[in-house]
Amino acid sequence: ELQLVESGGGLVQPGGSLRLSCAASGFTFDDYAMHWVRQTPGRGLEWVSGISWNSGSLGYGDSVKGRFTISRDNAKNTLYLQMNSLRAEDTAFYYCAKDNSAFLQFLDFWGQGAPVTVSS
Amino acid sequence: DIQMTQSPSSLSASVGDRVTITCRASQGISNYLAWYQQKPGRLPRLLVYAASTSPSGVPSRFSGSGSGTYFTLTISNLQPEDVASYYCQKYDSAPLTFGGGTKVELK
Repeated sequence: ELQLVESGGGLVQPGGSLRLSCAASGFTFDDYAMHWVRQTPGRGLEWVSGISWNSGSLGYGDSVKGRFTISRDNAKNTLYLQMNSLRAEDTAFYYCAKDNSAFLQFLDFWGQGAPVTVSS
Repeated sequence: DIQMTQSPSSLSASVGDRVTITCRASQGISNYLAWYQQKPGRLPRLLVYAASTSPSGVPSRFSGSGSGTYFTLTISNLQPEDVASYYCQKYDSAPLTFGGGTKVELK
């Protein structure tokens, strides 16, 4: 059974940092690209970042470029999102999602999400 | 960056109605377009990829079409369980932008 379990969310002050993790199981992790998507309650989906199977291709949304860094450890079946210089507008639920392919395409499975609150 | 614009942002329709949601890209993206359904309190679910292909398990009343800059998602016979928000997403190249979403409610 496919599983994506996010961790590392929480409350952080503006300007602070947080690292999200996503533990994957039930599929061959290093065959697939992975993504982070965020959503504010009652609002739409926002693609945050994606990483190809071998970390050779990375992408970021404009609102997080230069502040967030995506990475993966295929030996540990884990995806990461390092979030620096956090702002109030980064407050959201952050979802880890599996791509349908090894490269950045469409998303076919989602984790339950981790809440991130940026507030003083 | 390419912008994705969905319309309408919300709609109300009756059971059995045919519902069409549009998604426009600010530049051509060929057929690199996916549609997702998100029911209230649930995770998004992939409905369509490559503009018009549905994964197994998606009811046949859902269909996608389009290419280039104009795409549609049609629900041919709206059912109560289709109450949800629907999102398009481009994946021709990063950033993989989502549309703003369309909320479908029952009349």
